[in-house]
Amino acid sequence: QVQLVQSGAEVKKPGASVKVSCKASGYTFTSYDINWVRQATGQGLEWLGWMDPESGNTGYARKFQGRVTMTRDTSINTAYMELSSLKSDDTAVYYCARNPSLTGDFEYWGQGALVTVSS
Amino acid sequence: QAVLTQPSSLSASPGASASLTCTLRSGINVDTYMIYWFQQKPGSPPQFLLNYRSDSDKKQGSGVPSRFSGSKDVSANAGILLISGLQSEDEADYYCMMWHSSTWEFGGGTKLTVL
Repeated sequence: QVQLVQSGAEVKKPGASVKVSCKASGYTFTSYDINWVRQATGQGLEWLGWMDPESGNTGYARKFQGRVTMTRDTSINTAYMELSSLKSDDTAVYYCARNPSLTGDFEYWGQGALVTVSS
Repeated sequence: QAVLTQPSSLSASPGASASLTCTLRSGINVDTYMIYWFQQKPGSPPQFLLNYRSDSDKKQGSGVPSRFSGSKDVSANAGILLISGLQSEDEADYYCMMWHSSTWEFGGGTKLTVL
């Protein structure tokens, strides 16, 4: 069965960086895009960007350009999202989600990774 | 102004129908866009429900009951998620989403209460 398993919770200081992983199983990793979406406590969903694991091509939300980097390691079927220059309002649950390219059918999601930014 | 606007809350009775709206910003016409809908329950990631562009271009999520359906109100420039035969388990947050200007845009979400 398709699974996306994310790394655990992180606590970071303002100005630091965080790297969240998303390990895929149960399907061909390079056949679907990976998107990253975050959600602050009690708030709505916010899209950070997408990555094509086959080519490594990425697209980032304008708000995060220059601060977010999405990469992958196809040898271990894992996608990564790194967010730098962290601020307190980056505190959120970060989700990865799988979708067929060119669609928003985010049919499979990771369990989420809580990132807390606090001094 | 946000690209997608949803009412923050909606209440409906068990067995009734609920119509959740997702209004596009003025100048963005709903008729050509695919609108996606997600359900999220507390402590869980969102779940894909369905997408809808037209009656001939739509997709139901795997295992999603047929009482969840999509449509559009072109006059209101809105996508609609219709839930019929409401059940207590439908109580959740619902988000719409669309692709606009190379960005996946989410609506702010509607909290549906079934009481």
